[in-house]
Amino acid sequence: DIQMTQSPSSLSASVGDRVTITCRASQTINKYLNWYQHKPGKAPKLLIYGVSSLQSGVPSRFSGNGSGTDFTLTISGLQPEDFATYCCQQSYSSPFTFGQGTKVEIK
Amino acid sequence: QVRLVESGGGVVQPGGSLRLSCAASGFTLSSHAMHWVRQAPGKGLEWVAFIRFDGNNRYYADSVRGRFTISRDISENTLYLDMSSLRAEDTAVYSCAKEEGEIDAFDIWGQGTMVTVSS
Repeated sequence: DIQMTQSPSSLSASVGDRVTITCRASQTINKYLNWYQHKPGKAPKLLIYGVSSLQSGVPSRFSGNGSGTDFTLTISGLQPEDFATYCCQQSYSSPFTFGQGTKVEIK
Repeated sequence: QVRLVESGGGVVQPGGSLRLSCAASGFTLSSHAMHWVRQAPGKGLEWVAFIRFDGNNRYYADSVRGRFTISRDISENTLYLDMSSLRAEDTAVYSCAKEEGEIDAFDIWGQGTMVTVSS
């Protein structure tokens, strides 16, 4: 199975900050890397697919990068509605594993 | 509007069974692969099961294989997860998710239904 390791597990930031979250796969997953935003009591929301493609309707302050096994999600100019948990997921092969999540909190 | 609504959660004793439903609207299950994903209290998302758009392939996480079965009713446009031999560690919010094949990502999710396994 492919293991997905995210860092950090949590971070504190202020509105307007630039935030970067890292995700590492235990083996190469080509471009099959997605990012989701998850808020308590709400359905997860797809932000980025295929490493760097922005899902329709997602603000351009969200961006994804990386290749092979190392990937990043960057939020440029954190907004109040961005405080949430973010997780990566590989869709390269079953089981379609998720990272453990990064909780972004208000400083 | 594309939407997924789960139901069927509840409290069940260890060793018991439960059937979860996921009603789809705004699209047809016969055109998309579907997944079940769960989140245990205080934990991250865990992928559970997959069914291909034509129903011909089904995959399961090791933790549920042999105990859970994913299926669907095309006429009802509803996805199911039959769970048996339930354990305390199956306690979680269970969500269904639609896979958009062109992008290999889960583009639509339901809000989930809570399953608690406890005596």
